[in-house]
Amino acid sequence: QKEVEQNSGPLSVPEGAIASLNCTYSDRGSQSFFWYRQYSGKSPELIMSIYSNGDKEDGRFTAQLNKASQYVSLLIRDSQPSDSATYLCAVNYDKAAGNKLTFGGGTRVLVKP
Amino acid sequence: ETGVTQTPRHLVMGMTNKKSLKCEQHLGHNAMYWYKQSAKKPLELMFVYSLEERVENNSVPSRFSPECPNSSHLFLHLHTLQPEDSALYLCASSQGLGDSPLHFGNGTRLTVT
Repeated sequence: QKEVEQNSGPLSVPEGAIASLNCTYSDRGSQSFFWYRQYSGKSPELIMSIYSNGDKEDGRFTAQLNKASQYVSLLIRDSQPSDSATYLCAVNYDKAAGNKLTFGGGTRVLVKP
Repeated sequence: ETGVTQTPRHLVMGMTNKKSLKCEQHLGHNAMYWYKQSAKKPLELMFVYSLEERVENNSVPSRFSPECPNSSHLFLHLHTLQPEDSALYLCASSQGLGDSPLHFGNGTRLTVT
């Protein structure tokens, strides 16, 4: 059973601070990693993808991947109240077999003004 | 209409009813998916269609029956459901399989009484 684990939170962050979210996965052969954001009552939307070890930055978001330790993280800099949402980590264990993502349970982030 | 549209948004059905969920994507994608999101559980992949052919059935009970008549439309036919099938059912599409980003619809909130 391939698993993706996240702390469910809530992660409470003051406005302007850095929110740090972590995700671990069980299969060492995993190839592709994604972060989705889901507002309450809405559908998930992709915010970051990362495929190789290291950091990837996009605006206020930075994804970090460490395949040896089997974790992927998401940093949100200068957090805003509009960043309050649930963040879902997703792993594609075998992209050759198709786009079949395994999702974690999500981390709820609450940014307080 | 843009993106991925799901109807109905809410559905209440008895265990003996037959109903269908509809999904339509206006993105020109050629792969479509059904996901289930239950309270306090991760998103679960149910079915994957690529070029109107089913490429994945993730051990879903036969009371859920998918149909993909063309690359823009996806249905989920429901019959003799159980109360534990109550959940948010999300449709998604992507351009091909592999690592193409998933674009989700807003979901159908299903309650089985």
